[in-house]
Amino acid sequence: GESVGLHLPTLSVQEGDNSIINCAYSNSASDYFIWYKQESGKGPQFIIDIRSNMDKRQGQRVTVLLNKTVKHLSLQIAATQPGDSAVYFCAENTGGFKTIFGAGTRLFVKA
Amino acid sequence: GAVVSQHPSWVICKSGTSVKIECRSLDFQATTMFWYRQFPKQSLMLMATSNEGSKATYEQGVEKDKFLINHASLTLSTLTVTSAHPEDSSFYICSGKQQRNTEAFFGQGTRLTVV
Repeated sequence: GESVGLHLPTLSVQEGDNSIINCAYSNSASDYFIWYKQESGKGPQFIIDIRSNMDKRQGQRVTVLLNKTVKHLSLQIAATQPGDSAVYFCAENTGGFKTIFGAGTRLFVKA
Repeated sequence: GAVVSQHPSWVICKSGTSVKIECRSLDFQATTMFWYRQFPKQSLMLMATSNEGSKATYEQGVEKDKFLINHASLTLSTLTVTSAHPEDSSFYICSGKQQRNTEAFFGQGTRLTVV
């Protein structure tokens, strides 16, 4: 079936550097995308979202880019900090209500 | 953001027994609630979607008679794992939404261990 997937399973960055986490989606009908952060033993935490009528959205230290032509999402984290270490999931909304998760990328921040 | 509370945070039960997990939206009315299961180092897999006052819609491959879902009010949904077996050991996470195409708010998860 259709799914949301990720290019990189793990990412290691130096503290202070920028991080880029990528995601490919296959459901061309999806029109709402979300990035979640999950720390060990906890539920996912909302980071940022974007709708299909936009190609870029910025938050505090985070930016999400959407390329509908190639069905690609990315999450950029500026000045990565140790507290950013976690697993990051992209997710898409199908049919308006269901949120389907991608495989996840583990981000390691080296001090 | 809105708060979803899940209880218990962890539970250990014996094979063959049933376990109930509660999911409450504390400061919003969750029109729709979702239940996910997550195995170690894997993503969240959607098990079922429930709307208040109606039967849950289960994803393909999820046994509805084993995973009983009740969404009695706009702030409470429960998942009961019946006749639990060791292979049901997992991290169960619920979420709630107010409207279509908005973010879901997640509970803190329940670690179920069946011995």
